[in-house]
Amino acid sequence: DIQMTQSPSSLSASVGDRVTITCRASQSISIYLNWYQQRPGKAPNLLIYAASSLQSGVPSRFSGSGSGTDFTLTISSLQPEDFATYSCQQSYRTPLTFGGGTKVEIK
Amino acid sequence: EVQLVESGGGLVKPGGSLRLSCEASGFSFSSYSMNWVRQAPGKGLEWVSSISSSSSYIYYADSMKGRFTISRDNAKNSLYLQMNSLRAEDTAVFYCARGSRLAGEVSPFDSWGQGTLVTVSS
Repeated sequence: DIQMTQSPSSLSASVGDRVTITCRASQSISIYLNWYQQRPGKAPNLLIYAASSLQSGVPSRFSGSGSGTDFTLTISSLQPEDFATYSCQQSYRTPLTFGGGTKVEIK
Repeated sequence: EVQLVESGGGLVKPGGSLRLSCEASGFSFSSYSMNWVRQAPGKGLEWVSSISSSSSYIYYADSMKGRFTISRDNAKNSLYLQMNSLRAEDTAVFYCARGSRLAGEVSPFDSWGQGTLVTVSS
């Protein structure tokens, strides 16, 4: 199975900050990497697919990059509604696997 | 508007069975792969199972293989998950998620239901 490791597991940031979250795959997954946002008590929401493609309706302050084993999700200017948990997911092969999540909290 | 509405969750004893349903609307259900993803209380997301648009391809996480069965009825715009031999560690919110319309791909998951809680306890 492909293991997905996210770092950090949590972070504290202020509104307006630039935030970067990293996801590492245990083997090369090309660009088969997706990012999701999940607010407390809500279902996940797709932000980025294929490593760097912005899902329709997602604000442009979200961006993704990377290929192979190392990937990054960046929020260019953190907004109040962005305080949530972010998870990466590989879609290279089954079993599909998620990272453990990164909780973004208010500083 | 894409809508996915899960139902069928509840309290069940260890060893018991439960059937989850997901009713889809607002898109061409028969054109998309569909998936189940679960989340144990306070834990991360865990993929459970995927089914291709015509049910030709079905995949399961190893820990669910042999116990869970995914199926769909395109005429009813519905996805199902039959869960047998349930264990305490199966306690989770189960989400129905729309996958890809591309042949051979089951993700990303671009629309999700609100989830249904399954609690396995004596």
